[in-house]
Amino acid sequence: DTEVTQTPKHLVMGMTNKKSLKCEQHMGHRAMYWYKQKAKKPPELMFVYSYEKLSINESVPSRFSPECPNSSLLNLHLHALQPEDSALYLCASSHRQYNEQFFGPGTRLTVL
Amino acid sequence: AQKVTQAQTEISVVEKEDVTLDCVYETRDTTYYLFWYKQPPSGELVFLIRRNSFDEQNEISGRYSWNFQKSTSSFNFTITASQVVDSAVYFCALSEPDSGNTPLVFGKGTRLSVIA
Repeated sequence: DTEVTQTPKHLVMGMTNKKSLKCEQHMGHRAMYWYKQKAKKPPELMFVYSYEKLSINESVPSRFSPECPNSSLLNLHLHALQPEDSALYLCASSHRQYNEQFFGPGTRLTVL
Repeated sequence: AQKVTQAQTEISVVEKEDVTLDCVYETRDTTYYLFWYKQPPSGELVFLIRRNSFDEQNEISGRYSWNFQKSTSSFNFTITASQVVDSAVYFCALSEPDSGNTPLVFGKGTRLSVIA
């Protein structure tokens, strides 16, 4: 099973809302990632979790709060977002050794 | 610092034509990994291939082939007899070998349109 799932597929939220994005993988991968992708741009790394611990935070604003409850799950909690945060949010996971990352289908987020 | 350059922003071909997507990379590491990903309009990034820096053998998978040349720091991707379903954005990426949590450095992508 080489699948990474993400929910929801689409999310529309106001600037005062609190919402969460969820990501799940059952490939036994111990590294999980959040990326943000704007239209016609490559994905930009936000966070990396390795063995359920945050290992990389690419200076992401605190209105984005990641969480890794266990080795299969990755959440991204959203609070007080801005319209410029509207983007495709991609989750990925990778094997310890080979580092090819497998991506989920993404969540298209619109902030009004 | 690592960098990936995909000079072709957009390519348009007629179905059944062959097309090559260029990728040039920069790294100071002697050991590294190179990748190609496909992103169709649906948005999901699909892993196509990983190549280790110490393995310069070219690879063919069906209509896809990859030409890795360390001498020119290039990792080009050729689609033979293109099809409409090949229309997508293709990203080349680079990473250091690590314990599995090394970020990918992406190129800006090449948007391929295959016209029927």
